[in-house]
Amino acid sequence: DTAVSQTPKYLVTQMGNDKSIKCEQNLGHDTMYWYKQDSKKFLKIMFSYNNKELIINETVPNRFSPKSPDKAHLNLHINSLELGDSAVYFCASRRAGYGYTFGSGTRLTVV
Amino acid sequence: EDKVVQSPLSLVVHEGDTVTLNCSYEVTNFRSLLWYKQEKKAPTFLFMLTSSGIEKKSGRLSSILDKKELSSILNITATQTGDSAIYLCAVVPGRWNSGGSNYKLTFGKGTLLTVNP
Repeated sequence: DTAVSQTPKYLVTQMGNDKSIKCEQNLGHDTMYWYKQDSKKFLKIMFSYNNKELIINETVPNRFSPKSPDKAHLNLHINSLELGDSAVYFCASRRAGYGYTFGSGTRLTVV
Repeated sequence: EDKVVQSPLSLVVHEGDTVTLNCSYEVTNFRSLLWYKQEKKAPTFLFMLTSSGIEKKSGRLSSILDKKELSSILNITATQTGDSAIYLCAVVPGRWNSGGSNYKLTFGKGTLLTVNP
């Protein structure tokens, strides 16, 4: 009964590849987010979608493209992966008036 | 740009000690401040603070917000090894009537707490 689930949990890939991370929430929340946590554990917002509409896009390279087919899903596609993209990517969701619920993260390693 | 600074960055204590973690912020139109605990995986929610001077408490953990000083503290009494984690502070900017759709968390870099037996 995972509330916010991300797949895969681990992803190791070579530079230049294209990869996707999927996120699904079964909480009925309206807003979903992608956060990036770097090697120093600093969490920074990347994107936010509200009811399938992009509302936050925080100076992220356009190699990163979020897609929300419905309000329960927010996927992250990354083109031409670079070494600096290695990080843990967290999906989160929120209902208005409440705090966030985070997924368990996807550890991306680019070699 | 919104900014959240946490101190100390890391802390090592013995079981039974009391610790105080600090968070200060600069944010446009402050809405709320949140504390999270992160062990190996996802950050888990601890507290949300919106009003100054009102302490929130959950077991051995408590937190309070000081809007005048633009800061918050998280206290943990009688620490246990299971309290070892990164404690993250985050603020939410914006106006209450914005509908919440831009409820963007700006995080500090966290405090790494290690509790030794």
